[in-house]
Amino acid sequence: DTGVSQDPRHKITKRGQNVTFRCDPISEHNRLYWYRQTLGQGPEFLTYFQNEAQLEKSRLLSDRFSAERPKGSFSTLEIQRTEQGDSAMYLCASSSTGDLGEQYFGPGTRLTVT
Amino acid sequence: AQKVTQAQTEISVVEKEDVTLDCVYETRDTTYYLFWYKQPPSGELVFLIRRNSFDEQNEISGRYSWNFQKSTSSFNFTITASQVVDSAVYFCALSEAQAGTALIFGKGTTLSVSS
Repeated sequence: DTGVSQDPRHKITKRGQNVTFRCDPISEHNRLYWYRQTLGQGPEFLTYFQNEAQLEKSRLLSDRFSAERPKGSFSTLEIQRTEQGDSAMYLCASSSTGDLGEQYFGPGTRLTVT
Repeated sequence: AQKVTQAQTEISVVEKEDVTLDCVYETRDTTYYLFWYKQPPSGELVFLIRRNSFDEQNEISGRYSWNFQKSTSSFNFTITASQVVDSAVYFCALSEAQAGTALIFGKGTTLSVSS
């Protein structure tokens, strides 16, 4: 499978706990994106990397959220002190600079905060 | 500010009917890109089409066609002879200026095709 992969697919956590998600992009893609999708809504942009550099962050990305892409390959998204409002599907996408914005999405990680 | 509006929340059709999904966008940029994605019940977003702001030619791909009109800021999507497998949530999205940055999505239209 050469698509975007995400791990875990589902995560249930208690409020106040920290969680970390992983995304592995398509191997030749140098751009990686994180989005959040809540029920009945379209995906909302969180942050974007080109190689290892984090180039853009949404105002939705509060200081409890941090993302890294240490070697320009896989990325992690960490949420500290989770709140019930963080319950959502977290989507990762990747693209190459030659794709003119065509982003390929992974299956997502569904987070439930109890 | 950029915005994408999909006014149709849900559409239900019977197989073989044609259906059009509406998308209206707002942007101040002269260079931008428009997209349609499909999200089937399995959940994974599937890319369907990309259009740049300088190319207003309509596009047809099999049973799918897209109508881009800058004058009305619309990028509508038509499925001809719909099939049950077309049942999904369809999202229209906008990317401004430099390709490869954030996609701004609409809220999506849920299409249900019954047999």
